[in-house]
Amino acid sequence: EVQLVESGGGLAQPGGSLRLSCAASGFTFSIYDLHWVRHTAGKGLEWVSSIGSADDTYYEDSVKGRFTISRENAENSLYLQMNSLRVGDTAVYYCARGGYFDGSNSYSHWYFDLWGRGTLVTVSA
Amino acid sequence: QSALTQPASVSGSPGQSITISCPGISSDVGSYNLISWYQQHPGKAPKLLIFEGSKRPSGVSYRFSGSKSGNTASLTISGLQAEDEADYYCCSYAGSSTYVFGTGTKVTVL
Repeated sequence: EVQLVESGGGLAQPGGSLRLSCAASGFTFSIYDLHWVRHTAGKGLEWVSSIGSADDTYYEDSVKGRFTISRENAENSLYLQMNSLRVGDTAVYYCARGGYFDGSNSYSHWYFDLWGRGTLVTVSA
Repeated sequence: QSALTQPASVSGSPGQSITISCPGISSDVGSYNLISWYQQHPGKAPKLLIFEGSKRPSGVSYRFSGSKSGNTASLTISGLQAEDEADYYCCSYAGSSTYVFGTGTKVTVL
């Protein structure tokens, strides 16, 4: 089955750390760009970070320097290391599949076609 | 990159059509025809409805359609049904492998 399954959410104190994981199955994980998107009650959906097949990484401004995205293709896994957590980081975090470069080096698509169910991160004292 | 400002809420009666706007700026919505729309029911993961501004993935109802004019993208839901009650988000590619979502619109079926 083609799916993404997040884990690792929980309660953290302000200034604390958490590491989220996303296990992929049913598709060729290594070729795809993977993303983290979060949902808060106040702001709705917010793109957080992405990692390409060449391990190039990108971040939303508010998490730069605090969050680190990584992937382990041998384990079909995506990660998000979150340090210096803030109350405003409280959200449901989703991993999502983006596009890929095909054999002719054309990019397949610029949207998120597969989502996990999400994992809740709560930052509170 | 600031979020794209969508109307907070839109409502309609069953069978009616409603349109949700997603005004962007020249460097996101205006530069790229890479707008996607997502439907999210409470407690559920987002679902892709529209990509590249107006294309529907397999399995998405024809009642959902997308368009773009200048810097503004729009999602129209025709023949509104009770099951369409949900939050809807636009999303634009913003360059340099980054994306920006809209602020979200709550659709209420009266």
